[in-house]
Amino acid sequence: ETGVTQSPTHLIKTRGQQVTLRCSSQSGHNTVSWYQQALGQGPQFIFQYYREEENGRGNFPPRFSGLQFPNYSSELNVNALELDDSALYLCASSQDRGADTQYFGPGTRLTVL
Amino acid sequence: SQQGEEDPQALSIQEGENATMNCSYKTSINNLQWYRQNSGRGLVHLILIRSNEREKHSGRLRVTLDTSKKSSSLLITASRAADTASYFCATDVANAGKSTFGDGTTLTVKP
Repeated sequence: ETGVTQSPTHLIKTRGQQVTLRCSSQSGHNTVSWYQQALGQGPQFIFQYYREEENGRGNFPPRFSGLQFPNYSSELNVNALELDDSALYLCASSQDRGADTQYFGPGTRLTVL
Repeated sequence: SQQGEEDPQALSIQEGENATMNCSYKTSINNLQWYRQNSGRGLVHLILIRSNEREKHSGRLRVTLDTSKKSSSLLITASRAADTASYFCATDVANAGKSTFGDGTTLTVKP
């Protein structure tokens, strides 16, 4: 167990809807990164939050947005869902933005119908 | 495009045998990490090797890094059925926790 929790575990949405995924970072960690993992592929970096500010973004459209709260927990929001958004969404926390080891949560499985 | 590519895509061995997985990457890195993932669940960090290191050991795991060839290998010795999982390499260019993953090697260890 890494101490990183994610909710919900599974989620089913329809195309065009909006979704919010949540992540609680490990105690003492101030940095959270989000990844999307499509079936049969490796995780792809979406963005990272450090001390409530976005600290880097991967190649994802603006309808993917996030937040980090003062307790360093984080949300990933996806608007106007598309079928290709179906994936496992992973969050990872690290002690600081310069830390090289990330600790992953169990993920949220999103299915878009 | 993915920074890291694992080879082979799938590997099936008998319990007790050794398993070797390879990872190639494209750009210079600060570190390379190996992760394990069971059945689409979260990633478990296995080992990190820095760009100035050539080999690291952790229990039954041995990782090598050849920066001149931009490649790494993960060796699992005396494999067990519980080692059955997908294994991913991830590279970090700036020690910033923004890792770039390959598509993984699926390892099956038969009892």
